[in-house]
Amino acid sequence: QKEVEQNSGPLSVPEGAIASLNCTYSDRGSQSFFWYRQYSGKSPELIMFIYSNGDKEDGRFTAQLNKASQYVSLLIRDSQPSDSATYLCAALSGSARQLTFGSGTQLTVLP
Amino acid sequence: EPEVTQTPSHQVTQMGQEVILRCVPISNHLYFYWYRQILGQKVEFLVSFYNNEISEKSEIFDDQFSVERPDGSNFTLKIRSTKLEDSAMYFCAGAGVTDTQYFGPGTRLTVL
Repeated sequence: QKEVEQNSGPLSVPEGAIASLNCTYSDRGSQSFFWYRQYSGKSPELIMFIYSNGDKEDGRFTAQLNKASQYVSLLIRDSQPSDSATYLCAALSGSARQLTFGSGTQLTVLP
Repeated sequence: EPEVTQTPSHQVTQMGQEVILRCVPISNHLYFYWYRQILGQKVEFLVSFYNNEISEKSEIFDDQFSVERPDGSNFTLKIRSTKLEDSAMYFCAGAGVTDTQYFGPGTRLTVL
């Protein structure tokens, strides 16, 4: 059974701080990992993906992957109130390359 | 920038009725997916579709469900006889030659 686990939060950070979101996965065959943002009642919106060990930066976002520890994280620098949402971690695997999602971490950025 | 679209945005139906949820993927996408999200729960994979056939389906995707790409653009999910527990948000997603999946806005299905 493929599982993706996230600390469900809620996580609150002050505006301008760094938010750190974590995720672990069970399937060592997972090839790529995705972070999506989901506002209440809306669909997942892609933030970024990572498939190599190490860090990947995109603007205020940095994804980190450690395949040995089966661990993925997302750092959000200079957090803004508009970043308040649920952040979904997803692992890609299977012959059809489908996504397995975690339950999400609810982030609130306080002005 | 092209987007995945889905209709209707909200569908209310009676238990036992058939519903068809529609999706128009981005034109250069090759792989198509349906996911669902019951309120307050995880996004769950239902089925993937490639080259005009199902490539993989989850345990959720039983005989009550079917998918079609009838005209090369629309991608539909049919639920033959809806149950109360089918109430959820249904998301269509597509991917091109990369693995990145882009989601449509979703259809909220309410079964009464």
